[in-house]
This record gives sequence, structure tokens and C-alpha cells, in this order.
Amino acid sequence: DAGITQSPRHKVTETGTPVTLRCHQTENHRYMYWYRQDPGHGLRLIHYSYGVKDTDKGEVSDGYSVSRSKTEDFLLTLESATSSQTSVYFCAISADLAGGIYNEQFFGPGTRLTVL
Amino acid sequence: KQEVTQIPAALSVPEGENLVLNCSFTDSAIYNLQWFRQDPGKGLTSLLLIQSSQREQTSGRLNASLDKSSGRSTLYIAASQPGDSATYLCAELGEGNQFYFGTGTSLTVIP
Repeated sequence: DAGITQSPRHKVTETGTPVTLRCHQTENHRYMYWYRQDPGHGLRLIHYSYGVKDTDKGEVSDGYSVSRSKTEDFLLTLESATSSQTSVYFCAISADLAGGIYNEQFFGPGTRLTVL
Repeated sequence: KQEVTQIPAALSVPEGENLVLNCSFTDSAIYNLQWFRQDPGKGLTSLLLIQSSQREQTSGRLNASLDKSSGRSTLYIAASQPGDSATYLCAELGEGNQFYFGTGTSLTVIP
């Protein structure tokens, strides 16, 4: 299994509080991703990173920010949590091999976030 | 925005049956297509990856095919077992190194 950990694994917080989720990888992969998974919507990309300090927005980036100061860590911050951000959050990684034509994606175990 | 569709949303089969799961995509410039398995409350496990230059990949009882011209991929599961019960998702890699996911097919294999 790819070495990806997420912390915390479960969190309950209140509306309006900031929350930071951490993704840590030991594979030295270039790309890292944050997704949220909700019933009826499947997996939706929030933000992704293509290198240290290089990030870009995904489909559902409003209300979220990210940072990547080291290859192995990718942080997702909910600046002011809302109930609509209650979800399961997954981190994923992929390598950049052979000019980017072989980018198998591996997932972390997920973080279940509840915003009351 | 690329669209990925998986039909049916749910499938129930008796043990031992061979089955096919379908994935349709709109991206004509697809780089690769990946199939995943997700068990309840768990993360996604990669099953098979098909590069755009390939037509199929096999792993054990699983075989995935890719037809770029028709925008379709299929995952074939031979001799299904109760342990195959899970949700199966497909994802295509398009431009900008972004993956687009289908909403999955929930498979139940009845002993």
C-alpha cells in the first residue's frame, strides 16, 4: 500500500471555527490532491498540488485553502467551517512518470468531518 | 468540465456469476482511466490503470478495457465472490492532471 496517512481521522467541530486537515506521504510523489466525498455527488476535487508551494483550485474550492511547504505534507484548511462542509475528505497522491502518461492515483484512509 | 457516468448505480448478482461494470466519459483527450474499489467507511483501493495507448489490463479475476473512440471503459469480474461486494468507481485523467470520477456502482454478491 502507498504510504499515505491523514490526520485526524475523525473530527467534530462547530460552525465558524477554522479546521486544518493534514495529509502525509512517504512516496515522494509530486502530485497531491484533496477530495470530498458526499452521497449523490461522488468524489469532487477541492485543490491539488503539483509541487512544493505549487497549488491550484479544483471543482469545489470555495471556503477551502491549501498549503504545501514540503513534498510530503499537504494541508487543507477550512477557514470558517460551515455545516455544508460536513463530509468525508480524502487525500490522494500520484507520481509524474514518463512525461505524465502514467499517473496512477493512490488514496489515503479519509477524514470524517462533522460541522455542527 | 469532463463528465464520467457509471451505470447501473447498484447491481446485485448471485455468487459465481461473471459481471460487467460500465464507465462512460466525455473527454476525448483522456490520458488514462483508473478503476477503484471502495468498501464502506474506507478509502479507495486502486484496482487497474489503463493508459490511453492500451486497450485492456488484467489482474487476477479482473479485466478492464478502454475504448477511447466510444468513450467507454468496462470492468469485467469473473466468478464473482461475496468478498467482491463493494462500490466500484472509475476515474479518468484529463488535461491539467485532474482526475474526474464517476459516482460508482454498488455491487452486492449474494452467497
